Amino acid sequence: AQKITQTQPGMFVQEKEAVTLDCTYDTSDQSYGLFWYKQPSSGEMIFLIYQGSYDEQNATEGRYSLNFQKARKSANLVISASQLGDSAMYFCAMREGANSGYSTLTFGKGTMLLVSP
Amino acid sequence: ETGVTQTPRHLVMGMTNKKSLKCEQHLGHNAMYWYKQSAKKPLELMFVYSLEERVENNSVPSRFSPECPNSSHLFLHLHTLQPEDSALYLCASSQVQGATEAFFGQGTRLTVV
Repeated sequence: AQKITQTQPGMFVQEKEAVTLDCTYDTSDQSYGLFWYKQPSSGEMIFLIYQGSYDEQNATEGRYSLNFQKARKSANLVISASQLGDSAMYFCAMREGANSGYSTLTFGKGTMLLVSP
Repeated sequence: ETGVTQTPRHLVMGMTNKKSLKCEQHLGHNAMYWYKQSAKKPLELMFVYSLEERVENNSVPSRFSPECPNSSHLFLHLHTLQPEDSALYLCASSQVQGATEAFFGQGTRLTVV
């Protein structure tokens, strides 16, 4: 079974609108971390936002927020007020285990977001 | 200067060549990683070095050989590769302790001909 599932291969949004990118995960660990990365065409994976499994509040970083629904095992990324520069691949990732000593991540297949003027 | 730097950015090599990918991080991290990103597949973790010791080798063929001479540098030595090894190879670094994010380089786009 996939550990990280991103069901949207591609999403389209108009500039200045909000968009939600879906992510569900599968783990039996009690302690884990969820991450979102952005990968523009240049190739670099850019860290956007992190949510710990014990965090009670949804994480927010500027225009990015993570809608964390623990019981549903979902960690959707919400981008408010989309900009043209937001066009990129977006990856959801999970780090399992508490204090495992390093940060190996399991990634989903990604969602391609295209922002139109 | 970016936090994690990879060179070269692009590499074309024949199946009989030997080449090396280089990764350097300037973030003071003590764990480094190689990931492989093939078309239409999720990123695959290849190797992990924690405190300069290799701690994970995820069933990677021996034609890929990592080297971590110190906590700031990571190499991936390549020899007798196959065309299916063509991919984007991403290096990342992080702190060892805590649920911290990994920071990635821009990757090396490798084409094996």
